[in-house]
Amino acid sequence: AQSVAQPEDQVNVAEGNPLTVKCTYSVSGNPYLFWYVQYPNRGLQFLLKYITGDNLVKGSYGFEAEFNKSQTSFHLKKPSALVSDSALYFCAVRDTGTGFQKLVFGTGTRLLVSP
Amino acid sequence: DADVTQTPRNRITKTGKRIMLECSQTKGHDRMYWYRQDPGLGLRLIYYSFDVKDINKGEISDGYSVSRQAQAKFSLSLESAIPNQTALYFCATSGLRSDYNEQFFGPGTRLTVL
Repeated sequence: AQSVAQPEDQVNVAEGNPLTVKCTYSVSGNPYLFWYVQYPNRGLQFLLKYITGDNLVKGSYGFEAEFNKSQTSFHLKKPSALVSDSALYFCAVRDTGTGFQKLVFGTGTRLLVSP
Repeated sequence: DADVTQTPRNRITKTGKRIMLECSQTKGHDRMYWYRQDPGLGLRLIYYSFDVKDINKGEISDGYSVSRQAQAKFSLSLESAIPNQTALYFCATSGLRSDYNEQFFGPGTRLTVL
């Protein structure tokens, strides 16, 4: 069964500094990987996905993520953090098997960007 | 995402009461999902539906039921609410041809069971 781990409950970073939110996964086949962001009192919003191809994926709001198959990781990154990036971030994975493959979400990482 | 709406947005109820949470979407998607979010546990799938006649249990369906009244509407019911069903509930949709099950979420319903 697929699973995803977000080892940090919270990440603190100063505005203007680079940020990384970590995610590792486990699937039986090849993974489809996603990052979602949740702002207060809002639903989850799609940020980016990795399906195949280039290991560096670019998404919304200046975020990017790097797929590393050998380390089974898909860390979310941004070169320069903004205070408005403060939110709850979820990594999700689905397997590439036939039939319906549900999305499995991590437990979330809260990002706090200080001015 | 304004294309997926949920009502009510907040609800406080008492143990034993029947509660219905409603979800509507204008995205024209075939697939709809109900999740609950609990602190430290992430999102867990309750039920999902591929179309009006195809409803499936997720990982935590006990104590819940659903109804797919139309392609655009998917309701979640708690027949007899209990305090450990206090959570944030999300509806989501995805298209049959959407990219690899990319899902679009409603704003959530915060349910408190006293």
